[in-house]
Amino acid sequence: DAGVTQSPTHLIKTRGQQVTLRCSPISGHKSVSWYQQVLGQGPQFIFQYYEKEERGRGNFPDRFSARQFPNYSSELNVNALLLGDSALYLCASSLFAGGHEKLFFGSGTQLSVL
Amino acid sequence: DAKTTQPTSMDCAEGRAANLPCNHSTISGNEYVYWYRQIHSQGPQYIIHGLKNNETNEMASLIITEDRKSSTLILPHATLRDTAVYYCIVRSPGGGTSYGKLTFGQGTILTVHP
Repeated sequence: DAGVTQSPTHLIKTRGQQVTLRCSPISGHKSVSWYQQVLGQGPQFIFQYYEKEERGRGNFPDRFSARQFPNYSSELNVNALLLGDSALYLCASSLFAGGHEKLFFGSGTQLSVL
Repeated sequence: DAKTTQPTSMDCAEGRAANLPCNHSTISGNEYVYWYRQIHSQGPQYIIHGLKNNETNEMASLIITEDRKSSTLILPHATLRDTAVYYCIVRSPGGGTSYGKLTFGQGTILTVHP
């Protein structure tokens, strides 16, 4: 079975530009979450979408936005890029079963802002 | 979610058991202990979770103290492929506003050497 897939794997942008990252969840998973991982740190929660609605948001500025499509895939958009946005962006889909949620992560998109 | 404390790094010889400790002294009654690991250049991977009883699966064992203030993840026969950052996370089982959200700390860098 295919896992969580993210595209592109690597991306280079310049300050002030906009970027869109894409994520396809595991088949049957309706929840998608986005995380930012700066080098040397643990992943930080950005957004969670379930059934196309935003259900959770982390402490990130309004430059970050996301959406989920009817097929449960998702996009993360970041506007007006800053150097500090350089990070690995991870997408996770989750399954809630047996009273517990288990997250499955993709390999991420490495974003470099120059 | 309760805060966790883990050692920054640990070493283990291949074939030996790796015992990774985690302190979570402020854990509340409905919070579970989850462990994820992140191998270089990959997204985090779920390992195991537990409430108060010891748990074992095909990947690892989880030992939680009786007062639930600390736990230990045990990899019984570590291999070179177990070299990764291991994250101990305390959270409610999921659902509602916590759906899809994991609070990662710095984790423990486990290095398995030949």
